[in-house]
Amino acid sequence: QLVLTQSPSASASLGASVKLTCTLSSSHRNYAIAWHQQQAEKGPRFLMKVNYDGSQRKGDEIPDRFSGSSSGAERYLIISSLQSEDEADYYCQTWGTGIQVFGGGTKLTVL
Amino acid sequence: QVQLVESGGGVVQPGGSLRLSCAASGFAFSTFAMHWVRQAPGKGLEWVAIISYAARTEYNAASVKGRFTISRDNSKNTVYLQMSSLRPDDTAVYYCAREGPDSDSSYYDYWGQGTLVTVSS
Repeated sequence: QLVLTQSPSASASLGASVKLTCTLSSSHRNYAIAWHQQQAEKGPRFLMKVNYDGSQRKGDEIPDRFSGSSSGAERYLIISSLQSEDEADYYCQTWGTGIQVFGGGTKLTVL
Repeated sequence: QVQLVESGGGVVQPGGSLRLSCAASGFAFSTFAMHWVRQAPGKGLEWVAIISYAARTEYNAASVKGRFTISRDNSKNTVYLQMSSLRPDDTAVYYCAREGPDSDSSYYDYWGQGTLVTVSS
């Protein structure tokens, strides 16, 4: 079964960096995923697609502070120079034939 | 620029029906697959349905199979979600989303602002 696992919460200080993790089910470890950001009371926004080899395709106008990487079944979203507007929920998403799967989301708090 | 604008949400009684619309602009609508995704209050994102660019292929999530139908009118740049036999657990904000251009991928590269559906007596 295709499953994505995310930690429910994370926190980091203003100006610091944070690394969010999305873990694929073991039999799907070579799948690509996408990261989406959802600020409070807003619709989601596509950040980037991260492939199994760590290569990325970013969304339009996504700042360079946002980057992605990959290791085994884990896909990462790295946010550097944290700003207050980065406080949001972050969801990873993947896909198969006729199916779409979301992780449970990580709530990022900027201290 | 790409815009997706949902409409049609509202309050409906259990067992009732509702049709959502998503008007697209700023891109060649007929060449992109489209999705509906929902979010129950305080919960995460849940995929609902997909329709291919030419409407030849549709898939629904198990939770809505047999009750919801996705369709599109490429002449009107609009995708629809016909919802019937609605239940209280269908209460959610419903988003339409465009599938990205990569032929080997099915991620969403643009989202609408959402429309709220409340199923309550």
